[in-house]
Amino acid sequence: SQTIHQWPATLVQPVGSPLSLECTVEGTSNPNLYWYRQAAGRGLQLLFYSVGIGQISSEVPQNLSASRPQDRQFILSSKKLLLSDSGFYLCAWSLGGWGYTFGSGTRLTVV
Amino acid sequence: TQLLEQSPQFLSIQEGENLTVYCNSSSVFSSLQWYRQEPGEGPVLLVTVVTGGEVKKLKRLTFQFGDARKDSSLHITAAQPGDTGLYLCAGEGSTLGRLYFGRGTQLTVWP
Repeated sequence: SQTIHQWPATLVQPVGSPLSLECTVEGTSNPNLYWYRQAAGRGLQLLFYSVGIGQISSEVPQNLSASRPQDRQFILSSKKLLLSDSGFYLCAWSLGGWGYTFGSGTRLTVV
Repeated sequence: TQLLEQSPQFLSIQEGENLTVYCNSSSVFSSLQWYRQEPGEGPVLLVTVVTGGEVKKLKRLTFQFGDARKDSSLHITAAQPGDTGLYLCAGEGSTLGRLYFGRGTQLTVWP
């Protein structure tokens, strides 16, 4: 069966520090991968999506970047965090058209 | 611009009551998905509807896709405290796998 792992679950980082959130998928090949941010338990904002290794599309220009070094690995990064980067980050995968499977999320607090 | 509008934003009801949540758009979607999210967790897919006018039932939950594939509704019969959560609708646009999420309906069911 397919599973998705996202870590860490919570993270507190100082302003100006770097960030690396990792997401891995098991049990499927060539999935579409997504990074979302959710503010205050409300709607999801798509940050990046990837349809293959090294292929990254950015939805919203900001202080973050994403990479897909392997088929089932998706990484969200920042060189210097801002206070406004705080939020709940969700990774998800899909095979297109039949629903997303989300990870359990990372609660990031920038202080 | 919010592509999908959900209403109501908040709903607080007593156990045993019925409720309906709406998801509306001026855009046509190839499919419409509903998710439920609990605090600190990622959203979990409940259903995908793909055909205009389609109705799907999942125990006490009934999902309907509008004839024109622009809107959807979720009806819950005899709500239970375990139904409490954030209900999100998401429409798939012209890019396969690209979902547009509504802001969600926060449902609280009191015992």
